Amino acid sequence: QQQVKQSPQSLIVQKGGISIINCAYENTAFDYFPWYQQFPGKGPALLIAIRPDVSEKKEGRFTISFNKSAKQFSLHIMDSQPGDSATYFCAATSYSGGGADGLTFGKGTHLIIQP
Amino acid sequence: DAGVTQSPTHLIKTRGQHVTLRCSPISGHKSVSWYQQVLGQGPQFIFQYYEKEERGRGNFPDRFSARQFPNYSSELNVNALLLGDSALYLCASSPVVEQFFGPGTRLTVL
Repeated sequence: QQQVKQSPQSLIVQKGGISIINCAYENTAFDYFPWYQQFPGKGPALLIAIRPDVSEKKEGRFTISFNKSAKQFSLHIMDSQPGDSATYFCAATSYSGGGADGLTFGKGTHLIIQP
Repeated sequence: DAGVTQSPTHLIKTRGQHVTLRCSPISGHKSVSWYQQVLGQGPQFIFQYYEKEERGRGNFPDRFSARQFPNYSSELNVNALLLGDSALYLCASSPVVEQFFGPGTRLTVL
C-alpha cells in the first residue's frame, strides 16, 4: 500500500484556537478519506470522512478540506478544547461497489490543547 | 448497540508460541478487517474479510492468518511469534465503507 504522509507529528494549541493537521497521498485510486481520533489505550474512533467529489465537509467543530489536484486533505478543529487532546490519524482507501479496501494510515499527530 | 468487541484485552506470550485473537463485529456488519498498531505508529492493515472470504491482505508474512465465521466474527492467528509482533491488534467492522474499530488486544511477546 502506498504511503499517506501526515504532518505535524505533534501540535500544541491554546484552548479556543484552531488545530490544523495535514495529510498528502500518492495513490490516485484512493477515494475515501477518513480521520480517526485515538485516546491512550483505546481503539481509533471515526471522526469524519470525505469523498473526493466535494472539497469540504463539516461536522460540528470538525472540518475536512480536500484538494484533489494537490492530493492533499486536512482536518481543522475549531474552538479546540482540552478534551480534544488525543492522537489523530488520517487514512485513505479505495471504494468499489463491493466495499472499501483496507485503510492506509498516516503516522499520526499528537495534539495537546492547553487550557 | 454494542460496538466491536475483542478478546482477550491483554496477552503475554513468549517467542515461538502461537496466538489467537478474536473479534465480534457490530451487528449487521459483514466485513471485518485486522490491523497491527505498533506503539507510536499508525495502524497497519493485515487482512480484510467479507462474507467469510478474504478480500484483501496487507504486507505481512505467512505467519499471520485469519478467518471469518458464519456469524461474521473473526479470528486472527499468528504463528512462531517474534519480539517484533508485540503491538496493539485492532479489529474493525464495516457495513460498506466506514470502518469502526474495537478497543484492541495488546500483545506482548517476551
